[in-house]
Amino acid sequence: GENVEQHPSTLSVQEGDSAVIKCTYSDSASNYFPWYKQELGKRPQLIIDIRSNVGEKKDQRIAVTLNKTAKHFSLHITETQPEDSAVYFCAATYSGSARQLTFGSGTQLTVLP
Amino acid sequence: DAGVIQSPRHEVTEMGQEVTLRCKPISGHDYLFWYRQTMMRGLELLIYFNNNVPIDDSGMPEDRFSAKMPNASFSTLKIQPSEPRDSAVYFCASRKRRGDYEQYFGPGTRLTVT
Repeated sequence: GENVEQHPSTLSVQEGDSAVIKCTYSDSASNYFPWYKQELGKRPQLIIDIRSNVGEKKDQRIAVTLNKTAKHFSLHITETQPEDSAVYFCAATYSGSARQLTFGSGTQLTVLP
Repeated sequence: DAGVIQSPRHEVTEMGQEVTLRCKPISGHDYLFWYRQTMMRGLELLIYFNNNVPIDDSGMPEDRFSAKMPNASFSTLKIQPSEPRDSAVYFCASRKRRGDYEQYFGPGTRLTVT
């Protein structure tokens, strides 16, 4: 089955700096890679996703890059703000079947004012 | 749509008691997932259903855990008997259809077993 590893487990940045979270996956058949944000005491919510037919996707201050050859993908947050503080989870799955998402272990991002 | 609904939001029970968690998925969603979240183990998939049929229950930790989905709008996760190590936040999530992969999570049930 799929195995997703996520690094770092914790990340502190100064407000306005960039944050990068990296994930690797094991199943070369995986072709859908979402990122979820979970604020303290709240539910995980999808913030951005990428499919294997593109190498990068952006949405305002958030971007995700995918390297299928190396089997890794990354979340980039620019101009970080205190409200970006949360736990971020990456995930992977193969869209051609009913396979469920395999989640990474999460990254606690803290944006220091 | 109200989103995925879970009840109760908080549950405190004593070891050995039966616990039932409830979930109402988003109307029209074909898939329903039960997750458990702890600090030590992160987000773990326990079981998921497609069109009310359990597809993969390999994540269910032991026979004390059982899940049902009697119809498209309701699912339960039952723990009997409960143990302190079952303390966690249990999330239910649903997904629209096979080609739409976003999972919408419910607010979760925080379970404490004393």
